[in-house]
Amino acid sequence: ELKVEQNPLFLSMQEGKNYTIYCNYSTTSDRLYWYRQDPGKSLESLFVLLSNGAVKQEGRLMASLDTKARLSTLHITAAVHDLSATYFCAVEAGGGADGLTFGKGTHLIIQP
Amino acid sequence: KAGVTQTPRYLIKTRGQQVTLSCSPISGHRSVSWYQQTPGQGLQFLFEYFSETQRNKGNFPGRFSGRQFSNSRSEMNVSTLELGDSALYLCASSHGQGLYEQYFGPGTRLTVT
Repeated sequence: ELKVEQNPLFLSMQEGKNYTIYCNYSTTSDRLYWYRQDPGKSLESLFVLLSNGAVKQEGRLMASLDTKARLSTLHITAAVHDLSATYFCAVEAGGGADGLTFGKGTHLIIQP
Repeated sequence: KAGVTQTPRYLIKTRGQQVTLSCSPISGHRSVSWYQQTPGQGLQFLFEYFSETQRNKGNFPGRFSGRQFSNSRSEMNVSTLELGDSALYLCASSHGQGLYEQYFGPGTRLTVT
């Protein structure tokens, strides 16, 4: 059974600081996704990582994938308040037979 | 291009009743997946439909069922509702081969009393 673990689950940080969210998974993956969810809203796709060593960046967010270590990271650079949200990683494995398996999410609060 | 739409957005039902939720995928997308989100269990995969056929199913009881129509619209049904079925139900659409680039709808918030 595929397990996806995120840490930390809760993070409070100040604007301007850098931080990293970690996503570990237990079996070989096909693809890894990062989503953002604002309170009461749906999931917004941030990144899709397809292969080992993949790195994608959008604004202050950068995601990377190490398939050998079964680890993905979401790095936040010079955080701003608008990035406050819950961030989920999700893994697709086995050709998608079990859908996406999500981590529990990281609740990020960025304080001025 | 219109996004994924779900109706209704909010629903209140009583234990023992049944409910049907609807999802219209992005035009041209043939795969629709359903997920349940609760504070305790997080996001869990329910099932996926492709070309009117259930292709994959998560670990949920038979009270949860779904179908997909020829226009790719999908419905999910929950019978004999329980309090624990209270959740946000999200559907996601994609082109269809695998689950690459899933786009999520706004969700239906179901409350069972």
